[in-house]
Amino acid sequence: AQSVAQPEDQVNVAEGNPLTVKCTYSVSGNPYLFWYVQYPNRGLQFLLKYITGDNLVKGSYGFEAEFNKSQTSFHLKKPSALVSDSALYFCAVSPPHNTDKLIFGTGTRLQVFP
Amino acid sequence: EAGVVQSPRYKIIEKKQPVAFWCNPISGHNTLYWYLQNLGQGPELLIRYENEEAVDDSQLPKDRFSAERLKGVDSTLKIQPAELGDSAVYLCASSLTSSGNTIYFGEGSWLTVV
Repeated sequence: AQSVAQPEDQVNVAEGNPLTVKCTYSVSGNPYLFWYVQYPNRGLQFLLKYITGDNLVKGSYGFEAEFNKSQTSFHLKKPSALVSDSALYFCAVSPPHNTDKLIFGTGTRLQVFP
Repeated sequence: EAGVVQSPRYKIIEKKQPVAFWCNPISGHNTLYWYLQNLGQGPELLIRYENEEAVDDSQLPKDRFSAERLKGVDSTLKIQPAELGDSAVYLCASSLTSSGNTIYFGEGSWLTVV
């Protein structure tokens, strides 16, 4: 079955420190991969996506993600966290044979402490 | 440029009552989606439209849920009658086409059934 796993319900990091939010997927072939962020009482905002090409993808607000095919992972990273980055982060995947469909993970809450 | 617009943002209704949500996608976006997001979970697709045609409604509970996109632009999602378990966020989203393009989400319609 196609699925996305975000193994951490919550990630805590001090402001100024690097952050990583983990995502692994179980989809055959070469899927499209996405990260979205959701602030309290708001909809989902697109951060970045990987379709093909360079494994390191840069997105909005200084975030980047690294595609690792052998580990079927697409971890979200940022070199220096801000308190304003505190939000709910969702990883999503589109299967290669059904690129119109987004399968979401359960989300990881990022808490950045001052 | 306006994003995906949804209304109402918040709705509280009694069980067994009907409710309707409206969505206006980003101008020029042919593909429109309705997603359901339960508390603490990732969004799940309810229905996808290509222009005015519903091309994937396999996850829509058709006994009480209905949707339409009559002119291929804005869309309405209806629940009749609502049940307590329908309390959730209903997210509308749109994309240029359905083939790997970024999906942009609205702010969501937050439904509470009491």
